[in-house]
Parts: sequence; structure tokens; C-alpha cells
Amino acid sequence: HSVLTQPPSASGTPGQRVTISCSGSSSDIGSNSVNWYQQFPGTAPKLVIYGNNQRPSGVPDRFSGSKSGTSASLAISGLQSEDEADYHCAAWDDSLNGVVFGGGTKLTVL
Amino acid sequence: QVQFVQSATEVEKPGASVKVSCEASGYTFTQYPIHWMRQAPGQRLQWVGWINGGTGNTRYSQKLQGRVTLTRDTSASTAYMELSSLTSEDTAVYYCARRYCSGGSCFHDYWGQGTLVIVSS
Repeated sequence: HSVLTQPPSASGTPGQRVTISCSGSSSDIGSNSVNWYQQFPGTAPKLVIYGNNQRPSGVPDRFSGSKSGTSASLAISGLQSEDEADYHCAAWDDSLNGVVFGGGTKLTVL
Repeated sequence: QVQFVQSATEVEKPGASVKVSCEASGYTFTQYPIHWMRQAPGQRLQWVGWINGGTGNTRYSQKLQGRVTLTRDTSASTAYMELSSLTSEDTAVYYCARRYCSGGSCFHDYWGQGTLVIVSS
């Protein structure tokens, strides 16, 4: 069963830059673009990065994404308290013919 | 604006079936597929399957194949997810979301608020 691997937690102080990694395989990240979702407790996920590095309208430019080979990263610069949330990576998997998600990273703003 | 409204919390007994609805508004329902995901307590998001809003063609995750059925009513712009032979492992929040493609990338741009399904005797 193909899944993406994320660190369970990350943290930073206000104003800092934090990065969250997402590791996959040749059939998912290696072959398809990566999307990132932000989720607050008790709410639905919200798209913050699509197509590896594109920001939807309304998402601050403090959020950026990158991809190299079978790994991807989400970076948040100028960290703010309202960024404290869970972040999930996702990609299409060609072998499963479906979407796979990371386990989620809980970001804490200290 | 694009919006999805899902049905309310369901409490079912083991072995029963549940049907969750997802009403879309703000776009042409038949032009985009709708995907379903679920998230069990403390677990990662899990993809359930998708339905083509226009043709009704479906594809399901291997894990749930045989127990899940996705349907849609185009006249009501509503998608449905039915899950049968429920066990406690099916207790989760179920989400619907639109799958949108742009510039060669596809992603879930709008999500429903989620429907909690509790399986308990």
C-alpha cells in the first residue's frame, strides 16, 4: 500500500521559516505533481499549494512548494500564529490509480 | 462561489450500510469529477474513490472495492457515497471534494465540510 511519508511534527517561532518534507516513490511523487493541504482541528482540508509550487488565489506568498525526484517540500516563511495547523501532502499514484496522502505534519508556532 | 454541503452525522451498527450525500453549488456539476476521502480519528486522509459528474463512471480504492458505491443525481447536483458491511474501522469523517485540473496538474480545490460516520454497537 503506497503512502507518502511526512514528519509527524514541526515547529518554529513567529517570523521564522519552516519546511515540511514529503517523501514518496516513482509511481506517485516521481511521476505526478504534489499538492499540499492545510487543516485546522474539526475542519475540512484547504488547498494551499498545487502543482508542486503554485499558490491558489488568496493563499499568502509566505507559502511555497518545491519538488525534486520523489520528494517534495512545503515552506512557510515569516511564520505566524495562524499558521498553526496540520499540513498534508498528496499526489496521484499511477500504480494504485488513486490519490495517496501523507500522514500529516502538525505545525506548532511556539 | 463553489460550495459543497454534506449530510449530517450518521450512527450505524456493525454490518449496516450508510449513505452520505454531497450537494454541490456554484459550478456546472457535470463538468468535474467528485472525489471522496475519509479520515479516521488520528489517522491520515485516505482516498475512497471518484465519480465523473457527467458520465457517472466510477473508480474505487482497492481497499474499499466491493463495499463502496458512488452515485450522483445530476438534476440535484448531488453526489452520494454508500458504504456497506460497516465495521468499527469505518468510523471516520468522510469528505467530498471537486477534482480540478489546470496546467497539467490536478488537485482538490473545494471540499465539503465533512460527515462523521460512527460505527458502534
